[in-house]
Amino acid sequence: AQSVTQLDSQVPVFEEAPVELRCNYSSSVSVYLFWYVQYPNQGLQLLLKYLSGSTLVKGINGFEAEFNKSQTSFHLRKPSVHISDTAEYFCAVSGQGGKLIFGQGTELSVKP
Amino acid sequence: DTAVSQTPKYLVTQMGNDKSIKCEQNLGHDTMYWYKQDSKKFLKIMFSYNNKELIINETVPNRFSPKSPDKAHLNLHINSLELGDSAVYFCASSRAGANEQFFGPGTRLTVL
Repeated sequence: AQSVTQLDSQVPVFEEAPVELRCNYSSSVSVYLFWYVQYPNQGLQLLLKYLSGSTLVKGINGFEAEFNKSQTSFHLRKPSVHISDTAEYFCAVSGQGGKLIFGQGTELSVKP
Repeated sequence: DTAVSQTPKYLVTQMGNDKSIKCEQNLGHDTMYWYKQDSKKFLKIMFSYNNKELIINETVPNRFSPKSPDKAHLNLHINSLELGDSAVYFCASSRAGANEQFFGPGTRLTVL
């Protein structure tokens, strides 16, 4: 069965500092991985996705993630965060029938 | 133009009532989904429809009945509402065979 574990429930960081949100997955089939962002009281917006090809994936808002098959990880990074990046971030893997299996979420809190 | 829309945005009701949540997508997608986000922000798939046919039913109580009148709409009807049904419900859609899903803004259901 597929599963996703986000290793940090909360990540506080100062503005303009770099950040890494960690995600590990478990899957016995081909892996499609996603990071979604949820701003307060809003729906989910796709940040980036890995389907195949280059293991370094660039997304919107300056975020990027690296697919590491040997470590079964898909960590999200940004070199310099802004206050506006404060949100909940979800890592997900595509499962049977196309459903998304989500991690528990990581609350990124950017402080001035 | 809103890609995936849901109505209502907020729904407050008493235990035992029956309520419906509507979802519409104007992206021309073939597949639609319902997800439930609980109070700890955990997201879990409930149903998936492809061209009006049920594809995924994830051990959801039969008080929940999805209905897809056409491939652009997927409504969720809930009978005999219980306190534990309080959550945010998200509709999503995707192209057939694709993995990226587009989410609606969510419906916050509160059962008193």
